[in-house]
Amino acid sequence: AQKVTQAQTEISVVEKEDVTLDCVYETRDTTYYLFWYKQPPSGELVFLIRRNSFDEQNEISGRYSWNFQKSTSSFNFTITASQVVDSAVYFCALSEAPGGGSNYKLTFGKGTLLTVNP
Amino acid sequence: KAGVTQTPRYLIKTRGQQVTLSCSPISGHRSVSWYQQTPGQGLQFLFEYFSETQRNKGNFPGRFSGRQFSNSRSEMNVSTLELGDSALYLCASSADRGGGYTFGSGTRLTVV
Repeated sequence: AQKVTQAQTEISVVEKEDVTLDCVYETRDTTYYLFWYKQPPSGELVFLIRRNSFDEQNEISGRYSWNFQKSTSSFNFTITASQVVDSAVYFCALSEAPGGGSNYKLTFGKGTLLTVNP
Repeated sequence: KAGVTQTPRYLIKTRGQQVTLSCSPISGHRSVSWYQQTPGQGLQFLFEYFSETQRNKGNFPGRFSGRQFSNSRSEMNVSTLELGDSALYLCASSADRGGGYTFGSGTRLTVV
């Protein structure tokens, strides 16, 4: 069975600090996708990144960066120079194919509430 | 292009009633998934539809059902509502397998 663990329930930082959100996953599949989503108070889940299990390259997008390590089953997310607008709940998610078919679904972690204070 | 549209945004129902929620996916997306979000259980997968067929189902009672129409719009129905059904229901559409899920703003259902 698939499982995603976000051990950090809440993180509070001061603006301009760097912050890393941890994500550890479990899966038996060799082919899977990992995601990060942001959920502001409005409720909508905003897609941030998708990573294929075959691609361990780290990625940087502006102030965001992701570190994917299959050896430790981790997919951590770093925000550099955090801003107040980054305050939200961040979810890590795993998508695999139950039974090897094409029936992908997302398994989410419990989320990390990030508060960036001015 | 237009995003995923969910209606209504808010809903208040009484225990025992039934409710229908609607989701219009991004144009061209044929996969629609539904998720329930509660403070206690977090985000949980309900079901996924592709080309009017349910391809996958989560671990929810039979009171939760859904369907998808030929234009890819989807509805989910909850019958005999219970207080525990109070949640944010999110719909996601996708064009391909395994990713590119775009979520709507959700329907917040309150059962009293």
